[in-house]
Formats: sequence, structure tokens, C-alpha cells
Amino acid sequence: DSGVTQTPKHLITATGQRVTLRCSPRSGDLSVYWYQQSLDQGLQFLIQYYNGEERAKGNILERFSAQQFPDLHSELNLSSLELGDSALYFCASSDPGQGASNYGYTFGSGTRLTVV
Amino acid sequence: AQTVTQSQPEMSVQEAETVTLSCTYDTSENNYYLFWYKQPPSRQMILVIRQEAYKQQNATENRFSVNFQKAAKSFSLKISDSQLGDTAMYFCAFRSSGSARQLTFGSGTQLTVLP
Repeated sequence: DSGVTQTPKHLITATGQRVTLRCSPRSGDLSVYWYQQSLDQGLQFLIQYYNGEERAKGNILERFSAQQFPDLHSELNLSSLELGDSALYFCASSDPGQGASNYGYTFGSGTRLTVV
Repeated sequence: AQTVTQSQPEMSVQEAETVTLSCTYDTSENNYYLFWYKQPPSRQMILVIRQEAYKQQNATENRFSVNFQKAAKSFSLKISDSQLGDTAMYFCAFRSSGSARQLTFGSGTQLTVLP
């Protein structure tokens, strides 16, 4: 157990639908990052939240949105789903507030989304 | 924008042998962080080793070591005494030292350890 919890582990849904992926960061970590890994591809950065505020944005589609709540868990919302959105979605957490010595990330086990 | 290139999509090595995975990157920054992550069939992302660019000494973690060549922007991973459990996809990743703390990943190298 890495300490980062992602739910659900698997999700199958139809095109056009909307889903919500949830991530609870490791205890003490303030930052949450979302990544998308399509089949046989590397990981693409989507978005980062730090202590409730959006910090950085990557290649995130307008159909996707995210937020981080006061208890620091984060949700990634995917709407108007297309077949091409099928992928493994990872959440990672870190705590930049502890300085440069703590630059590691802890990844969750991912949510596998299948759009049919 | 930074880019990370892994030019070896697939590699194989005999058990107990040594293998080196290549990674190059492109950045205009002087200080940054580099990582190797392992993704076994379980798809979990596992940190293997990390290197701070301002440190000249190459990082080592047990059987895993890196050859960091800053001027050449090269960051290769050496796995010694390869084990069957090392079979996985290996990703090289870059992180800026600035406010942008997300990781930029390479496309990965699938390593298979043969018995």
C-alpha cells in the first residue's frame, strides 16, 4: 500500500457519460497530481492541485475537470466520454512544502477506465 | 518545454546479467530532478531511483545505479544481477526545480528478464 488511495479501481461506462475518479493523497501530502496513461503509452500530466488550489495544468481536455477538497482528497471529473478516453488514470501525491529534499512522488494504483 | 526520450522500446536480458536502459532529455534549466520509475504488469508506478542535477555523484540503490551525464543530458539506468522480478516497463522522468513540479515522462522501455 503506497498510501495514496484511488477509487474505483475499474470503471466501465458508455460513450457520452460522465464519471468521477477519486484520490486520497498520502497523509501529510498537500499536492495531488493527475496523469493519464493510454494503452502502451507513457504518462501524460493532466493537472496539479496544491492545498485546494489549482497549481499547474497540462494536456487536460475541456471535458475534464478536477478539484481538491478541504480534506485534501481530489476528484477528476470526465464528461462526454469518448472511446479515446479509455486509459489508466493515476493520481500521485507529494508535499513540496517540505523543501527540495522531499521531491519524491507517491503514486496510487490507478483507475482503469474503459469507455464502450 | 522539457522532453524526455527513451529510444529503446524493448530490451531483454538474461537473469543475473547486467543491462543498461537509455534516457536523454532536453531542458534549458540548470537544476532539476530525474527519476526512473518501474511499472510491472500490476501497472503500479514504483520509484526506482532519483537524481538531483546539482549532485555530481551518480545515485545508487542496491542493484540499480544511474550514469548521469549533465552536459550530454543523458540519464541511463543500470540494473545489475537482473532478476525475474525486474521484468517491467521502465519510465524515465524529468521534474523542474521551479514551481512546475509535475513529471514529464519518456515513452518507456519494456524490459524482459529471461530465465
